[in-house]
Amino acid sequence: GESVGLHLPTLSVQEGDNSIINCAYSNSASDYFIWYKQESGKGPQFIIDIRSNMDKRQGQRVTVLLNKTVKHLSLQIAATQPGDSAVYFCAENYGGSQGNLIFGKGTKLSVKP
Amino acid sequence: GAVVSQHPSWVICKSGTSVKIECRSLDFQATTMFWYRQFPKQSLMLMATSNEGSKATYEQGVEKDKFLINHASLTLSTLTVTSAHPEDSSFYICSAPVRLYNEQFFGPGTRLTVL
Repeated sequence: GESVGLHLPTLSVQEGDNSIINCAYSNSASDYFIWYKQESGKGPQFIIDIRSNMDKRQGQRVTVLLNKTVKHLSLQIAATQPGDSAVYFCAENYGGSQGNLIFGKGTKLSVKP
Repeated sequence: GAVVSQHPSWVICKSGTSVKIECRSLDFQATTMFWYRQFPKQSLMLMATSNEGSKATYEQGVEKDKFLINHASLTLSTLTVTSAHPEDSSFYICSAPVRLYNEQFFGPGTRLTVL
């Protein structure tokens, strides 16, 4: 999933609704996946990760789903808040969390109050 | 969690000059650091892997003579953009993996604008 586009996909949701952000990853050998949140002018911030031996992992208000068959990753945010507005990137790696990451294209989440 | 800082947070320079960007691990030692570049409305693209005490490993298409990386200590990696041109204007971000947290931590980024 290397980004080559000039426009980020945008997801607009109402405050309080649930958000689902999708990502297609590229390498079937990848065994570690992470979701990052990036606010304007800042570095990426870790949200949640999942290893390839799992299908689902839950955090606080967030859930990550992994479908290895179709190489698809999703991030679900419950009760979306205005502070969740940001660009969300998925990233993949093989060999665990310590190696270099390949980032997906990103999705801009806009939360309407 | 661990903290990674970058300096400067933004820099404007003239075409043809060189700019140095620092990446520091504040409360841990980092034998490896990664440098990414991000153009507006695009994703992060890995440029190189910085290794303490040895040469950096560059990704395909990244000119090692243009983007000089030095990782002279366990807490500092520097990226020098030599003979900068307007097309080098971008957001440069570093990261460092931390085994204790089994996670990578990213710096806040450096915005480079070349006039």
